[in-house]
Amino acid sequence: DTEVTQTPKHLVMGMTNKKSLKCEQHMGHRAMYWYKQKAKKPPELMFVYSYEKLSINESVPSRFSPECPNSSLLNLHLHALQPEDSALYLCASSQAEVSYEQYFGPGTRLTVT
Amino acid sequence: QQPVQSPQAVILREGEDAVINCSSSKALYSVHWYRQKHGEAPVFLMILLKGGEQKGHEKISASFNEKKQQSSLYLTASQLSYSGTYFCGTGSYNTDKLIFGTGTRLQVFP
Repeated sequence: DTEVTQTPKHLVMGMTNKKSLKCEQHMGHRAMYWYKQKAKKPPELMFVYSYEKLSINESVPSRFSPECPNSSLLNLHLHALQPEDSALYLCASSQAEVSYEQYFGPGTRLTVT
Repeated sequence: QQPVQSPQAVILREGEDAVINCSSSKALYSVHWYRQKHGEAPVFLMILLKGGEQKGHEKISASFNEKKQQSSLYLTASQLSYSGTYFCGTGSYNTDKLIFGTGTRLQVFP
């Protein structure tokens, strides 16, 4: 099974809401990633978890809060977002770190109103 | 220091060849190549780990020139299914970070 799943597929939220994005993989991968992608732009790294520990935070605003409850799950908690945070949020996983291929989930299309 | 890809866009007829280049200003440990179709997630194509390494499967291959900090993706006898945006992703030493290049949009017409 080489699948990374993400829920929800679409999310519309107001600036005062709190919501969470979920990502799951069952490939035994030890590295998991959150990316943000705007239209016609490359994916932009937000966070990296390696062996369930946060190893990279790309100076992401605190209104985005990642969590890795176990080796298969990755969450992204959202609070007080801004309209400019509207984007496609992609989760990915890899066997270990950057020398291994990354498998991407289908993404969550987030709209902040 | 985002890697720069060239060209930005390519239009091909089926059966034609294309080369996409990826240049980095940093010393590279690895180069990944991904293809993303509109509205879909990026899909892994291949990874190159050693300078001078060349890889390929079917009609898509790639090379990695570590000294020049460059990689190239070669698409031969293109098919309609090759259409999409191609991204290189570069990894540097001592980091888990993969930085995606600027992207090349490829369109193949019958």
